[in-house]
This record gives sequence, C-alpha cells and structure tokens, in this order.
Amino acid sequence: QVQLQESGPGLVKPSETLSLTCTVSGGSISSYYWTWIRQPPGKGLEWIGYTYYSGRTNYNPSLKSRVTISGDTSKNQFSLKLTSVSAADTAVYYCARSVLRYFDWLIDYWGQGTLVTVSS
Amino acid sequence: EIVMTQSPATLSVSPGERATLSCRASQSVSSNLAWYQQKPGQAPRLLIYGASTRATGIPGRFSGSGSGTEFTLTISSLQSEDFAVYYCQQYSNWPPMYSFGQGTKLEIK
Repeated sequence: QVQLQESGPGLVKPSETLSLTCTVSGGSISSYYWTWIRQPPGKGLEWIGYTYYSGRTNYNPSLKSRVTISGDTSKNQFSLKLTSVSAADTAVYYCARSVLRYFDWLIDYWGQGTLVTVSS
Repeated sequence: EIVMTQSPATLSVSPGERATLSCRASQSVSSNLAWYQQKPGQAPRLLIYGASTRATGIPGRFSGSGSGTEFTLTISSLQSEDFAVYYCQQYSNWPPMYSFGQGTKLEIK
C-alpha cells in the first residue's frame, strides 16, 4: 500500500519561500507522476503541478512562475518550493500520486495534507 | 484553461434517496473526467475516472455518466457515510494537466 506524508514548516512569512517535502513509502517514486495539490481553508482544490522521476515537470500556468517541484529518488521523496508567498497561498497542501491507466490519468493516492499559513 | 463548474453548490437529500450532482466543462474534455469525495479533515478519495469507471473499492451505488461538457455523478441510495463534498476534475491527455470544479456539498436533509 502506497503511503505519502507531507512535512515542512506550518508558518511562512510573506514574500518568503514555502518548502514542503513528501515522503513516499510502499512504492518507488521511480515511476508514476508525483503531484502537489492545495486547498485554501473552506475552499476547493487547486492542482499545483507534478514531477516525473526523469525530471520532467509540469505546472499550473497560474503558479508556474513561482513553483518548482523536484524528486529525490535516493530518499524516495519529492518536494515543492513556492516563492514570494502571500496570504493567498495559505492552504492545506497535499502530495499525491498520478498514474496513467489506459487513457485516464488518476490521482489515486494522497497524503493527509499539511496546513501552511502565510503570516508575519 | 478549462473551467469546471459544479451544481448545485449544496444539495440536501434524505438517507436512502438518490442524489444527482452535475459538472460542466467550459469546453469538451471527452471522457477525461474524474469525481472525488472529500470528508472534513480528510484528503479527497477517487471515486470515478474516465467519466464512468468506478475506482477500486468504490461501492456500486456510485455511478458516473456523461461526455464532452456535461457530466453527472449519481449516488443511488444515500448512506450516512456519503454525506461529504464532491469534486469533479478534468484531465488532459498529454501532458497531463488538471483542473477541479468548486465542489458540491451533499448534506443530510
């Protein structure tokens, strides 16, 4: 059973960089697409982007200029960096696995989520 | 960017009754549509993908239909554990990109 666990600071100051790590157990990150999704308090879900173990990435156009997602196969982890944060970036951040099944892209395993608050 | 719009925002249904949730895409997404269930304090759970295929372990009372721009999630006989927020999500074939609807809250009537 694949499990994902987010970790990182719960409080980030405005204009600084948000950094989170997702540790994957029960499976290798050397396949599949590893994804970040966020959810502001009381609001809906927003896809941030993903990385593939080969280094291929793709990001939400609305966040692309501020986002970097990368993987570390030696640690079986992948990470999210979001620069120049503001209060609008306050959200629960989820890491998740994306998989291609025939012609469909599934987001089938999720971490429990971690709340990141942007405040001075 | 493809915008997903769900309706209604809140749906009140009695246990044992049928619930029908709608999702509309701003342009055709073919059958590249998934549904997720989210309970308070939990991560979303995949219910349906390919517009109509149930994910592993999902009960048969959940069904999805539609293609192009109009989609429906039907829960045939609501159980107490089904009251939650439901999100639709479209995905592009290549490169994969995703966008979610704003959610429908299914509450007990």
